[in-house]
Amino acid sequence: QSVLTQPPSLSAAPGQKVTISCSGSSSNIGNNYVSWYQQLPGRAPKLLIYENNKRPSGIPDRFSGSKSGTSATLGITGLQTGDEADYFCGAWDSTLIAYVFGTGTKVIVL
Amino acid sequence: EVQLVESGGGLAQPWGSLRLSCAASGFNFSNYWMSWVRQAPGKGLEWVANIKPDGSETYYVGSVKGRFTFSRDNAKNSVFLQMNGLRVADAAVYYCARGFNWSFDFWGQGALVTVSS
Repeated sequence: QSVLTQPPSLSAAPGQKVTISCSGSSSNIGNNYVSWYQQLPGRAPKLLIYENNKRPSGIPDRFSGSKSGTSATLGITGLQTGDEADYFCGAWDSTLIAYVFGTGTKVIVL
Repeated sequence: EVQLVESGGGLAQPWGSLRLSCAASGFNFSNYWMSWVRQAPGKGLEWVANIKPDGSETYYVGSVKGRFTFSRDNAKNSVFLQMNGLRVADAAVYYCARGFNWSFDFWGQGALVTVSS
């Protein structure tokens, strides 16, 4: 049972922008760093954002992260067909003493 | 190039055991936390466990505590997940992942664990 809540799916046309929300609590997002992962069909997850808003080397600046209170957001601008994937947020939960992932959001490029 | 290669997946009966291995290369293995993350078919990601760089501390998700044991051999650049008392609910692809600043920056290709009688 996921502790972090995401919308099940979002869709947009190529070139448009999508924002994916991730809602948690003070035990996780509110007091710990948030990271975001992209999982293409049949592939292992890939880190997109760490420490709320930092991009690893090689991740384009079309991907951005932000955090406010107990919620976080992943933004994808200039949507491409290759961005069609599942996206997961994640954070350490200080009460559960466990890392928790979001429920996942499927992004569909129309 | 960082590489993580899992092995040891397969079919186990309920209450049976399996041992997963993950061989790491391309980085200073003994400096990093390592984790296992699993994904049941058609489901989301679930963190399973992590281990401190020197192996002195481990943490587990509640559902596997007392059944799974996470260990590492820094001389062999490898981590291991001993899974005992397997349940149907443990069936998943198990990913080995490197810890980085409260995230997971590199992942293996995954090892499939099937639990069925």
